[in-house]
Amino acid sequence: AQTVTQSQPEMSVQEAETVTLSCTYDTSENNYYLFWYKQPPSRQMILVIRQEAYKQQNATENRFSVNFQKAAKSFSLKISDSQLGDTAMYFCARRNNAGNMLTFGGGTRLMVKP
Amino acid sequence: KAGVTQTPRYLIKTRGQQVTLSCSPISGHRSVSWYQQTPGQGLQFLFEYFSETQRNKGNFPGRFSGRQFSNSRSEMNVSTLELGDSALYLCASSIDWASGNTIYFGEGSWLTVV
Repeated sequence: AQTVTQSQPEMSVQEAETVTLSCTYDTSENNYYLFWYKQPPSRQMILVIRQEAYKQQNATENRFSVNFQKAAKSFSLKISDSQLGDTAMYFCARRNNAGNMLTFGGGTRLMVKP
Repeated sequence: KAGVTQTPRYLIKTRGQQVTLSCSPISGHRSVSWYQQTPGQGLQFLFEYFSETQRNKGNFPGRFSGRQFSNSRSEMNVSTLELGDSALYLCASSIDWASGNTIYFGEGSWLTVV
């Protein structure tokens, strides 16, 4: 089975500091898409950032950026200037090059402390 | 523009009963997929529909079924409910089946089987 692994079940960070969430994945395809989703207590999945595997440049969205290492099959999320509203579960997900099926990692629970 | 709408939001069923969950995608979206989220198994893909046709199916028993209507609205059905079917069921939509499009999630339907 092609899996997605998040090795950090829980993390905490002080407000305004930077935190990095790790994700590794497995795939036999050359072209695919990677995502980070945030799931706050309301449980709605919110897209944080996406990366297309054929693009070398790391994606950035305001305070969120990724470190995509294709050869190592690694896709980490960096949150800068952490805010209390960033407290949530974060899921890494992979979508292959056919259809809209996402394979999710087990999630990382992030707590931002004041 | 309305987001992905799921109904009902909460429901309680008895073992052996069946349940139908509904999902209205974002206007203009033709792809709808379903996910089951449990504490033990995490987020697992159930199935995806596009233009009323099932395109992908996850590894779930035949008690789980779905369909999509001509207006892109989708329903999923679980028959002969078991305690282990208690979960958050998430619906997601995307414009089409092309893998480059963003997938948006609804707030989910909480199913409790007693």
